[in-house]
Amino acid sequence: EDKVVQSPLSLVVHEGDTVTLNCSYEVTNFRSLLWYKQEKKAPTFLFMLTSSGIEKKSGRLSSILDKKELFSILNITATQTGDSAIYLCAVTFTGTASKLTFGTGTRLQVTL
Amino acid sequence: GAVVSQHPSRVICKSGTSVKIECRSLDFQATTMFWYRQFPKQSLMLMATSNEGSKATYEQGVEKDKFLINHASLTLSTLTVTSAHPEDSSFYICSAPGLLTGTDTQYFGPGTRLTVL
Repeated sequence: EDKVVQSPLSLVVHEGDTVTLNCSYEVTNFRSLLWYKQEKKAPTFLFMLTSSGIEKKSGRLSSILDKKELFSILNITATQTGDSAIYLCAVTFTGTASKLTFGTGTRLQVTL
Repeated sequence: GAVVSQHPSRVICKSGTSVKIECRSLDFQATTMFWYRQFPKQSLMLMATSNEGSKATYEQGVEKDKFLINHASLTLSTLTVTSAHPEDSSFYICSAPGLLTGTDTQYFGPGTRLTVL
């Protein structure tokens, strides 16, 4: 059975802290791993990772994939209250036309 | 960027009634759309893949007679929750695949919150 597990499940940090969110997967026919941020409604896309060891960066957020150890991390530096959200990772599979299997999610709360 | 809309955004219904939720791709065509449900404080769970012009593909454990999916056109997929019960109360989100070749990104609708009394 395909599994995507995120840790921690929830996290409370102070503004300015750096956080690392984890996503591990055990799936067959892996194609890519994606990170999303969900605030109140629809998830918004952050990163898509397909190759090991290549960091993707956008502002204070960065992410990297390790296909040997089957995990990815999402880093957020200098956190702000606006970073408070659920962070979701999802994997796609070869031959299944963009179907996403989501992880358990990490709820991040950034306090003043 | 591509936009996906859902209607209604919120619905409250009585137990035993049926509810239809629409998912539209507003500025692009989508031969495939996906339906997810999300319980409070939980992740998104894929329910089914909606295919334009053919039957939907349901994930294991999802009752196809309970959650009817119709993909009548290249811009519209509908999810009908039949004979709804309180345990069907959830947040339902649809998505459509990204437009760029070689990308697995998806565009998500804003979701529909269903409450069954």
